[in-house]
Amino acid sequence: GAGVSQSPRYKVAKRGQDVALRCDPISGHVSLFWYQQALGQGPEFLTYFQNEAQLDKSGLPSDRFFAERPEGSVSTLKIQRTQQEDSAVYLCASSFVNQPQHFGDGTRLSIL
Amino acid sequence: AQSVTQLDSQVPVFEEAPVELRCNYSSSVSVYLFWYVQYPNQGLQLLLKYLSGSTLVKGINGFEAEFNKSQTSFHLRKPSVHISDTAEYFCAVSDQVTGGGNKLTFGTGTQLKVEL
Repeated sequence: GAGVSQSPRYKVAKRGQDVALRCDPISGHVSLFWYQQALGQGPEFLTYFQNEAQLDKSGLPSDRFFAERPEGSVSTLKIQRTQQEDSAVYLCASSFVNQPQHFGDGTRLSIL
Repeated sequence: AQSVTQLDSQVPVFEEAPVELRCNYSSSVSVYLFWYVQYPNQGLQLLLKYLSGSTLVKGINGFEAEFNKSQTSFHLRKPSVHISDTAEYFCAVSDQVTGGGNKLTFGTGTQLKVEL
């Protein structure tokens, strides 16, 4: 497929566990964004990459959240020592520079 | 910093009736404006965008929006809705910055429910 691909689609973890969420952007897209969407809310910005450089991580809620994009393509969002308030849908989006973002279907994370 | 207000959390409308979903924004700098649609268990799909030029913007699925700078609004309209338009609609803004860091600030969404 030509769209943004996220995996897994659903993830259930116990409080305190670490989780890793994957994003495969559209081929050639330089920009990659992560957003967090709580139930009944709009998405909120977490972090932004241009190629492999993380240029903005101002939206990461705590130091338990970590994102990487080592080769400028696939990105992973890692959450350490998960807590119940981390339960949300995590959306990845990619784009060419200064072009509209294309979103994946998201990963729904549930922390028990 | 910007903010987006979508005052209507839910809008019920009968099929083939017109609809308007309201969006107001606040920003200290010039912005780009967007409307996205989200179907259940899916990501966001771009409906339309305002970058510059004509203030009336036409998008996919028969939707259009008008940018009003003096009222800082970007309301979404459709003259005749279909049952398949039932979804969550998000208004979003980004700074007119260079370098690609055009992160989006979203409103809380409006649930459009089309009834027969």
